[in-house]
Amino acid sequence: DVKVTQSSRYLVKRTGEKVFLECVQDMDHENMFWYRQDPGLGLRLIYFSYDVKMKEKGDIPEGYSVSREKKERFSLILESASTNQTSMYLCASSLLSGFGGHEQFFGPGTRLTVL
Amino acid sequence: GENVEQHPSTLSVQEGDSAVIKCTYSDSASNYFPWYKQELGKRPQLIIDIRSNVGEKKDQRIAVTLNKTAKHFSLHITETQPEDSAVYFCAANAGGTSYGKLTFGQGTILTVHP
Repeated sequence: DVKVTQSSRYLVKRTGEKVFLECVQDMDHENMFWYRQDPGLGLRLIYFSYDVKMKEKGDIPEGYSVSREKKERFSLILESASTNQTSMYLCASSLLSGFGGHEQFFGPGTRLTVL
Repeated sequence: GENVEQHPSTLSVQEGDSAVIKCTYSDSASNYFPWYKQELGKRPQLIIDIRSNVGEKKDQRIAVTLNKTAKHFSLHITETQPEDSAVYFCAANAGGTSYGKLTFGQGTILTVHP
C-alpha cells in the first residue's frame, strides 16, 4: 500500500522560529514535492526534488528551503517563520516519468499556525 | 510557466444531476492532465487522468475530455451522489520536463444535495 507520511498533523510556532516539516515515502519514488494549500488558491508548489540532493524552486519558494539527503525523505524548512506562512502544507511523491507526468501521492498534510 | 484556470469555484447540484468542471491551461507543451478529489479533512487523491494522445477517457460515472487546440479540459460526473461532495482540482504538467511537476487549478467545491 502506497504511503506518504508527514511528521506532524498540527503545528503551532512563533514568529521568527525555524520550522522543520518532514515527509517520508515508502514507494521508492524519485520525485518529491512540497505544496501549500490555501482556500481559493489551490495547491501551490513551493519546491520539488527529482533526486537525492537535487532540488528545484516551485512557484512560491520565498521564505522556504528544502533538504533531501535520502531518497525517501524530503524536508521543508521555514528559516524564520512569519504569520503569512500560516497554511496547510502537503507533501507528495511520484515516479520520475519519461512521458511528462505520473500520479502524485499526497501525505495527510500539516496545518501550521504561526503566531 | 504554466498557468491553470479552473471554473466554477463552487458548484451545487441535486443528487442524480450531472456536474461539469472546466479548466484551461497556457503551456501548449503540457501533455498530462490529472484530476484530484479532496474530501473534507483528507488528502487529495487522483480520480482520473488523461494524456495528450487521447481526447476522452471514462471511468464509470467520471469522464474527462481534452481539447488541445483550445487548451482546455473538463471533468464530467454523471448521476451525482452525496459522496461526490468534495473539492476537485485539475492540474497540468510542465511541458518539456520529465520531472512530473504539476500546476494546479484553484479548486471547485462540489456540493451534492440529497
